[in-house]
Amino acid sequence: DVKVTQSSRYLVKRTGEKVFLECVQDMDHENMFWYRQDPGLGLRLIYFSYDVKMKEKGDIPEGYSVSREKKERFSLILESASTNQTSMYLCASSTTGGLNGYTFGSGTRLTVV
Amino acid sequence: KQEVTQIPAALSVPEGENLVLNCSFTDSAIYNLQWFRQDPGKGLTSLLLIQSSQREQTSGRLNASLDKSSGRSTLYIAASQPGDSATYLCAVSSGGGADGLTFGKGTHLIIQP
Repeated sequence: DVKVTQSSRYLVKRTGEKVFLECVQDMDHENMFWYRQDPGLGLRLIYFSYDVKMKEKGDIPEGYSVSREKKERFSLILESASTNQTSMYLCASSTTGGLNGYTFGSGTRLTVV
Repeated sequence: KQEVTQIPAALSVPEGENLVLNCSFTDSAIYNLQWFRQDPGKGLTSLLLIQSSQREQTSGRLNASLDKSSGRSTLYIAASQPGDSATYLCAVSSGGGADGLTFGKGTHLIIQP
């Protein structure tokens, strides 16, 4: 069964900490994405990557960075976590052209205290 | 910029009813449209994917239609069951899978036993 796996379901971090959210896909997809989901705001795209070592800003990249050193892995980094980054984070992947749609992980609920 | 709207925001119906969820988008130049289901606190599960050249897709009790020229899609659920209770999200891809999906805010569906 093809999968997008997010390493943590729940995380609690302190303000100012550096936080890493990891995502791994086993489908050999070229494209990978990070979204955050907030009540009333829906899903918003943070960053995406269409190839190893490539990254593009989404709609809300401020306060985040990403890393893609291997095709199967895409990491989201919160350089200095803040309380307004408390959210559900969702990773997704797709093939080039998106003919098979997008596959999402099970999400990471991050709480910054 | 693409905008996706889902109506209604919430819906509660008795078990066994057939129902329709609506999705509209502002830019008809889409690559494909995908319907997802999300259970509370969980990730997104893909239900149906419709390519821009297609008119509808079916999976079991679910049928999704696409009218690209009018910017509309519907998700039809036949013979609803309590297990169908979830949030249903509509998302469009405008960039061939390389630049992410634009999501509606979802329809929160409750099926009463």
